[in-house]
Amino acid sequence: NAGVTQTPKFQVLKTGQSMTLQCAQDMNHEYMSWYRQDPGMGLRLIHYSVGAGITDQGEVPNGYNVSRSTTEDFPLRLLSAAPSQTSVYFCASRRAGIPGSPDTQYFGPGTRLTVL
Amino acid sequence: AQSVSQHNHHVILSEAASLELGCNYSYGGTVNLFWYVQYPGQHLQLLLKYFSGDPLVKGIKGFEAEFIKSKFSFNLRKPSVQWSDTAEYFCAARRGDTGRRALTFGSGTRLQVQP
Repeated sequence: NAGVTQTPKFQVLKTGQSMTLQCAQDMNHEYMSWYRQDPGMGLRLIHYSVGAGITDQGEVPNGYNVSRSTTEDFPLRLLSAAPSQTSVYFCASRRAGIPGSPDTQYFGPGTRLTVL
Repeated sequence: AQSVSQHNHHVILSEAASLELGCNYSYGGTVNLFWYVQYPGQHLQLLLKYFSGDPLVKGIKGFEAEFIKSKFSFNLRKPSVQWSDTAEYFCAARRGDTGRRALTFGSGTRLQVQP
């Protein structure tokens, strides 16, 4: 298994440009999430999905859209990039289970985004 | 809303020193707790996790953590650190009694081990 993959690894955008960060997993995990990592703030949840066709907002959803048309893919869209969105973005996935089940969340390698 | 606090933002130790990183969470119900490590230039890796049972959890690379429910704490420990432990460490929590499956992370602790 490739696990959780993310593309691109690095991206530079100009303010106002749009782009999509790709995330895919081949473990048939139901749950997928997007986080952003900023210095001194840890990881903050942007959006998450509990299955194909189901998404919900996390802690910092503004400026980002997601969709989940398949179990494998969970792209993150920036419709109009802003310098405040300069960050490292991590995608994660885990399988569903009963509440409290000891399932590990797997993280992708990250995408480093700079918005000028 | 649930929160996770890591009060040590930057820790500098010499090799062979003992390590304890603090983590406190705010949720009073059933909680799942995790410690992740991020080595320079790499993504997050799971060190250990607590779901139930023995409150002293042993993880990889000689790390352990103790869940103290009365203190809402899940501190990470290692008896003797090595230079290779230099990394950023994140505590994370998830409510264990709801359908929400995303983690809430602390702000991280940067550990620097000097040879």
